Amino acid sequence: SQQGEEDPQALSIQEGENATMNCSYKTSINNLQWYRQNSGRGLVHLILIRSNEREKHSGRLRVTLDTSKKSSSLLITASRAADTASYFCAVRPYNDYKLSFGAGTTVTVRA
Amino acid sequence: GAGVSQSPSNKVTEKGKDVELRCDPISGHTALYWYRQSLGQGLEFLIYFQGNSAPDKSGLPSDRFSAERTGGSVSTLTIQRTQQEDSAVYLCASSLDTVSYEQYFGPGTRLTVT
Repeated sequence: SQQGEEDPQALSIQEGENATMNCSYKTSINNLQWYRQNSGRGLVHLILIRSNEREKHSGRLRVTLDTSKKSSSLLITASRAADTASYFCAVRPYNDYKLSFGAGTTVTVRA
Repeated sequence: GAGVSQSPSNKVTEKGKDVELRCDPISGHTALYWYRQSLGQGLEFLIYFQGNSAPDKSGLPSDRFSAERTGGSVSTLTIQRTQQEDSAVYLCASSLDTVSYEQYFGPGTRLTVT
């Protein structure tokens, strides 16, 4: 079953703007991960945030986690054309090794 | 190798034929996963291998699907008597362990059943 559900389904922004997407889930988690997928092929891991963490940064990426609301957000600052991709959140439930992926948010960055 | 590799990258097959998809995980990664992604969808878990433990096959959609992992490294996903609904991108991923670590994905095999 799908645990992570991303919102919005699609996002179109101008280069240089920020992009924010959200992920909601249903169960207690060990960690939550964000992945990027270009052109429908392999996924690239972006950030892993553990259940006891609230915020993490990696370059232009900022991830927040609110376990009380069972939600996470991914912020891409100063977007570039190369950020055009689909972004997936993946939830690892507590005491389960399987990641559950959402359907993704498709981000288009216009030059 | 530096990353997870999969072969072939593309496979077109006729309905009813059998296909084998191969995955070479990152050296030293004990966990290996197979997923399926249909067009515009998220990833559907198929099967998981961890070391020498019995694999978790709970995600396999039918008994036409099977997978092996030989010597704790290379894995093969086999689909027998392929159907058109099997058309999808099949992704393999490996991770250092199964609890905390991120998964590293291969480029996938795009399977088209005609």
